[in-house]
Amino acid sequence: GAVVSQHPSWVICKSGTSVKIECRSLDFQATTMFWYRQFPKQSLMLMATSNEGSKATYEQGVEKDKFLINHASLTLSTLTVTSAHPEDSSFYICSAGDSANTGELFFGEGSRLTVL
Amino acid sequence: GNSVTQMEGPVTLSEEAFLTINCTYTATGYPSLFWYVQYPGEGLQLLLKATKADDKGSNKGFEATYRKETTSFHLEKGSVQVSDSAVYFCALSSPNFGNEKLTFGTGTRLTIIP
Repeated sequence: GAVVSQHPSWVICKSGTSVKIECRSLDFQATTMFWYRQFPKQSLMLMATSNEGSKATYEQGVEKDKFLINHASLTLSTLTVTSAHPEDSSFYICSAGDSANTGELFFGEGSRLTVL
Repeated sequence: GNSVTQMEGPVTLSEEAFLTINCTYTATGYPSLFWYVQYPGEGLQLLLKATKADDKGSNKGFEATYRKETTSFHLEKGSVQVSDSAVYFCALSSPNFGNEKLTFGTGTRLTIIP
């Protein structure tokens, strides 16, 4: 199946710094990508829908100035956690839909962020 | 709104045991239902899906039937293997919100011991 890759797979940063996470579709083009957040023992929560060439659509309760999403090409979306704080520590997962074929969603391996 | 409730884990079974992971949902309209699996160190992968009532999704020996009357989509496998150890997520997508927007359950960690 299609491959979606995230980088980095884990990152530790100091409070107040910004962290960028990349999500790439390796063998297909994705006009839409999705960013999720997963807390321990909880479900994946959709944060935002990333649209290539336009602004992301954020879910209710997600701060768009805190979680900056850029989808500059058909194979890359980035999530930047700005001025990170310990409560932003979480597992962030992206997915991309192969709309040209089956429409199935493919998921990245996830990125674990720890803010000290 | 949409929600998915699945069996809390962790679940530990012996090899060749019968597996059931319960999943029920609440949704408007007629959702599609999915089971995703996440193996250690990997991203979520689609295991099976069903798009309408009474459909049965199946893959790798796993099955789940879309039961509209009980709003359920329980995952079953007759004889589990050590390689089935993973986290399993039940999910739905509703046409009202776009088929690509998934609502997930909390995940159930399954461990199979030899």
